[in-house]
Amino acid sequence: SQQGEEDPQALSIQEGENATMNCSYKTSINNLQWYRQNSGRGLVHLILIRSNEREKHSGRLRVTLDTSKKSSSLLITASRAADTASYFCATALYSGGGADGLTFGKGTHLIIQP
Amino acid sequence: EAQVTQNPRYLITVTGKKLTVTCSQNMNHEYMSWYRQDPGLGLRQIYYSMNVEVTDKGDVPEGYKVSRKEKRNFPLILESPSPNQTSLYFCASSSIGLAGAYNEQFFGPGTRLTVL
Repeated sequence: SQQGEEDPQALSIQEGENATMNCSYKTSINNLQWYRQNSGRGLVHLILIRSNEREKHSGRLRVTLDTSKKSSSLLITASRAADTASYFCATALYSGGGADGLTFGKGTHLIIQP
Repeated sequence: EAQVTQNPRYLITVTGKKLTVTCSQNMNHEYMSWYRQDPGLGLRQIYYSMNVEVTDKGDVPEGYKVSRKEKRNFPLILESPSPNQTSLYFCASSSIGLAGAYNEQFFGPGTRLTVL
């Protein structure tokens, strides 16, 4: 079953504003990954944060991870029209036998209004 | 260029006519997987493979088969397609890091399948 769930499902903001989306997951993880998808295209990897990391930056992206709350957030600062896309978090469920496949949530659809 | 290729990109077929969607990666990745994407349901995993001859079911494996005879290829087979398999399909691959953690996934461009 899907391990991660993004929130909100949709978000519309003005260009230049910051966008924050959240991901909650169910069990222990090795890492959590964020991806972007432009309409109908393949997903593109944005950032990977390991379970022993609390915050990570990449350009205008900032990802936090709170393993005690089993949640992560993705912040996009100074949004641009080109940031309009769907954003997904991905995690793997780890059991005694190792990792299951990497699963994705349903995504947050972000719209940047010019 | 490091990439995941899928073929065909678009396919319209009829119920019951067997089809195969190919997936190939040139990055020597151990992990490969198939997803289907439907409106409002996000990406759902169909099958995945941790290495050659090792495959496992994902969340929605019914009606699909896979094989992993070579490290670079991971074809998705629909033995008897039905209209509810109309969807956008993605193949992905990645290396596997320490403690079995999945690294960055590389996605193919997608295959849009319509079953009439």
